[in-house]
Formats: sequence, structure tokens, C-alpha cells
Amino acid sequence: QSALTQPASVSGSPGQSITISCTGTSSDVGGYNYVSWYQQHPGKAPKLIIYDVSNRPSGVSNRFSGSKSGNTASLTISGLQAEDETDYYCSSYTTSSTLVFGGGTKLTVL
Amino acid sequence: EVQLLESGGGLVQPGGSLRLSCAASGFTFNNYAMSWVRQAPGKGLEWVSAISGGGSSTYYADSVKGRFTISRDNSKNTLYLQMNSLRAEDTAVYYCAKGAGGFRVLGYWGQGTLVTVSS
Repeated sequence: QSALTQPASVSGSPGQSITISCTGTSSDVGGYNYVSWYQQHPGKAPKLIIYDVSNRPSGVSNRFSGSKSGNTASLTISGLQAEDETDYYCSSYTTSSTLVFGGGTKLTVL
Repeated sequence: EVQLLESGGGLVQPGGSLRLSCAASGFTFNNYAMSWVRQAPGKGLEWVSAISGGGSSTYYADSVKGRFTISRDNSKNTLYLQMNSLRAEDTAVYYCAKGAGGFRVLGYWGQGTLVTVSS
């Protein structure tokens, strides 16, 4: 159950778009369309922002979008805002009937 | 409104035991799988365990298999995590989370309870 691979940090200027990658294997990301993304502000519980690769829960801004190609999933945030500066985690269901998270990515809005 | 309230965290010595609880409200508890996810201080999220809505199926991360037991009491709308043989590396904030589509999606999270394993 190795963690999915995310960049430790990404950055962008207000109004720009950024993409966070999440790389796994054919046993997790590549095997199912069951990738989720979570946003976590310091000291707070994670919040679901994308599920099943590209679906947004009700109430989540359409500036957040998800996609997948092979063993790599991606989260794109468009029109960056100061409030987007925080940590982001991907997760995937696995062929072992478990869940695995990525190591997390810290987004800095310059 | 979905609410999840964890309790039972605290300081425990290595080798000791602790039972966490998660009181759920605002949804039909027995219709949903539930999970525990932990986060060590300054570290990322780690999925720990999950249980089906009826309680008949349980799932564990390799790191806790054989030491932790997940269970639920649907009559009390409460999720549990029995943690035995605790190690320093089990120190973390433990979150309970409501599943969707089984437990592959964690739609709602509690605020967490801190478990510290130290002598």
C-alpha cells in the first residue's frame, strides 16, 4: 500500500490556473475511476472537492476540476484565489479493497 | 445536516489500548460505510480502516491489521475503533468519515480526536 505520488508543492499567481498530479499504479489510480481529491486548511478536517475522477460535490466551485490519464490523475484549479492556498490530497480505491492517499501538495498563491 | 463527532483520544503508553468513538447524526447511519483516517502531526492523510453499512465487512490498512478493530452500533449511530498494541507511530489525529459509493469517497469528516502514544 504505497502512497500515491504528489508534488510536495505548487504555486501560482491569482487568476492563473495550476494543476496538481497524483501518480499511482494499475492497482489503484489506473485500475478504477475512483480518484478523489480533498482540500485541507490548517487545523481543519479535509473537505471533499472532487470524486470519481471528475465529479464535483454540490457547493464546490466549478474552478476545481479533475481528470485522469492512465495511472495519473490531476486536479486543476482555475482562476486562483488567495483562499485556495492550502493543502490538497488525492486518494484512490485499490484492488486490495483499501483506500490509499497521496502525500499531499501545498499550494501557494503568490 | 451531517455531523460526526469523534471522542476517546488521549495519551496512552506504548503497548496500551484505546477505543475511539464517532457519534453520527443527520443521515441514515446504517445505509453508509464509514472509515477512519489518521494524520500524524505535520504529515499527510493515511486511511486506517472501513466498515460496511451493516457492519458485516471490514477493511484495514496493513499498518494496523491485527492491532485495530473497527465496529459499529447502528442502534446507537456510533462508529468505533479499538486500538491495541499501540506504537509511537500511531500518534495522530484520527478522523471518522462518512462514505459514499462504499468507502471509496469520503464525503463528510468529523473534526478529529488526537491520540498520543508516548511513555
